[in-house]
Amino acid sequence: DTAVSQTPKYLVTQMGNDKSIKCEQNLGHDTMYWYKQDSKKFLKIMFSYNNKELIINETVPNRFSPKSPDKAHLNLHINSLELGDSAVYFCASSQDLTAGNPQHFGDGTRLSIL
Amino acid sequence: GESVGLHLPTLSVQEGDNSIINCAYSNSASDYFIWYKQESGKGPQFIIDIRSNMDKRQGQRVTVLLNKTVKHLSLQIAATQPGDSAVYFCAENEAGTASKLTFGTGTRLQVTL
Repeated sequence: DTAVSQTPKYLVTQMGNDKSIKCEQNLGHDTMYWYKQDSKKFLKIMFSYNNKELIINETVPNRFSPKSPDKAHLNLHINSLELGDSAVYFCASSQDLTAGNPQHFGDGTRLSIL
Repeated sequence: GESVGLHLPTLSVQEGDNSIINCAYSNSASDYFIWYKQESGKGPQFIIDIRSNMDKRQGQRVTVLLNKTVKHLSLQIAATQPGDSAVYFCAENEAGTASKLTFGTGTRLQVTL
């Protein structure tokens, strides 16, 4: 069973479109995250949610809107896609906000903007 | 600003040898560190972690060393295998930042036969 699953795995779309990426975890964790990995493999946190509540918003443009319908799901909606949004987006989860709980990652969604 | 790690270097190791992957961090307030392994087309996979009150922790074939004096973290892999080929990331968590991880830029490990 996949612990953290994201859909879709690949997303190719045109500039200006709106798209969503879904994430689900079956680990029973309280905290979920979205990361962006650029072409140089640099991983940077975008958001974190704890029990459906926004905890971290790392100066991400407001075109990006995360939504957590329940603590097992954290979706990412992106409006008016731009070329610079091309990247691999990773969802992750951890037991809770306490330091010392490793984050578990999904396999990523590769977003390509044409 | 604070940073973890350097550019993305490549380490080439012969199968069966030991590998040592290094990471420099600059945030002295960090109290928790993790090593991740990322294979092509996959997400980062947890390998081992260490808290700042320790200087060494061992897992299966892996050891993490933490030197807080010089802000240095290393991952040692014993008897490196072809399946160890991947990009390895160190990550740090600053105390009180609600589990916010800052990642280094990664090291690519290539295992030669």
